[in-house]
Amino acid sequence: GAVVSQHPSWVICKSGTSVKIECRSLDFQATTMFWYRQFPKQSLMLMATSNEGSKATYEQGVEKDKFLINHASLTLSTLTVTSAHPEDSSFYICSARFLLGTDTQYFGPGTRLTVL
Amino acid sequence: AQTVTQSQPEMSVQEAETVTLSCTYDTSESDYYLFWYKQPPSRQMILVIRQEAYKQQNATENRFSVNFQKAAKSFSLKISDSQLGDAAMYFCAYRAATGNQFYFGTGTSLTVIP
Repeated sequence: GAVVSQHPSWVICKSGTSVKIECRSLDFQATTMFWYRQFPKQSLMLMATSNEGSKATYEQGVEKDKFLINHASLTLSTLTVTSAHPEDSSFYICSARFLLGTDTQYFGPGTRLTVL
Repeated sequence: AQTVTQSQPEMSVQEAETVTLSCTYDTSESDYYLFWYKQPPSRQMILVIRQEAYKQQNATENRFSVNFQKAAKSFSLKISDSQLGDAAMYFCAYRAATGNQFYFGTGTSLTVIP
């Protein structure tokens, strides 16, 4: 299957700082990428849909000024958690839509964010 | 609104045996896709199997097969000859053919007993 990478795989930061998470599709171009948040032993919660060259579409209840998404190229989307607080601690997963062939989503390995 | 329901929070199976994970969904769309994803302890989401709603034939991938009942809106996953490496959280997911968004169920935690 197609490969999606995320960086970093884990990050610890102080409250009030900003953290950037990168999501890359390594062997295909992804016009659409998705950002999810997952709490322990729970399902994935879609935060936003990121389209290359346009503004992200945020799900209801997700603060767009707090979770900044940039999809600057067909292989890279970034999620920046601004002024992070302990309640932002979570597992963040990105995925990329692979249009050719099976037209499905492939997921990155996730990023564990811990805010102290 | 589309919803995906997995009614079994936890399941267990003896190694080499067969287990079936249940999934139901609700939609008014006629064309859509259904998926089963596996999330092992590493938390990497892995695509297990995919089904197009317009296909009557059930999808199969080696030891994994589905029972797709479109009228009943049911999409169960059968794992044959279970292996220790099959232990994971399994998520059922839905996507409309014309849409981007995936809708995930709440997951089923599968334990494989040696």
